[in-house]
Amino acid sequence: DTAVSQTPKYLVTQMGNDKSIKCEQNLGHDTMYWYKQDSKKFLKIMFSYNNKELIINETVPNRFSPKSPDKAHLNLHINSLELGDSAVYFCASSPEPRLGETQYFGPGTRLLVL
Amino acid sequence: AQTVTQSQPEMSVQEAETVTLSCTYDTSENNYYLFWYKQPPSRQMILVIRQEAYKQQNATENRFSVNFQKAAKSFSLKISDSQLGDTAMYFCALRGSGYSTLTFGKGTMLLVSP
Repeated sequence: DTAVSQTPKYLVTQMGNDKSIKCEQNLGHDTMYWYKQDSKKFLKIMFSYNNKELIINETVPNRFSPKSPDKAHLNLHINSLELGDSAVYFCASSPEPRLGETQYFGPGTRLLVL
Repeated sequence: AQTVTQSQPEMSVQEAETVTLSCTYDTSENNYYLFWYKQPPSRQMILVIRQEAYKQQNATENRFSVNFQKAAKSFSLKISDSQLGDTAMYFCALRGSGYSTLTFGKGTMLLVSP
């Protein structure tokens, strides 16, 4: 059983295009996240959602728009892709704080902007 | 603001030996959680071990154990009886209380050789 899944795993696209990455978790968690891992392997939080509501936005350009249709899904839409957006994007989920604090990660989506 | 520092970009160890990865952190919170995640070449982020700051006892998971020194804000990972499959990037991470996210260190690349 896949706990946190992401699609696609690989995404190659041209500068200026718009693309989406989907994330789903079947763990029953209330909180979901998007992280970006750059070419030097540094991982940084982008967004955090709790029960479909945005709770953390770490000064990400507004070309990035997360959408949470329900608490099991958190999708990431990127407009007008730039070369610097090339990275691995990880989705993660965790229970609400009073139930636990461990975050579980998806397999990552490698985005390459040409 | 929270910070996590891993001062060893790369480490090498021979199979069956023991290796210790260093991590120091800074936070103004009293209640927080510390994690070690492993990222093998498959790119998947795998939780290795976690520690609650309010627990004095060091966490252990089979061959993995931590040395948590709260006053010194140090959280090192010891891997005993190293195996080839332990070859991976290891990330130390810190999470505060409530709806907070993970702050990662820059990672330590561990190579286990025969």
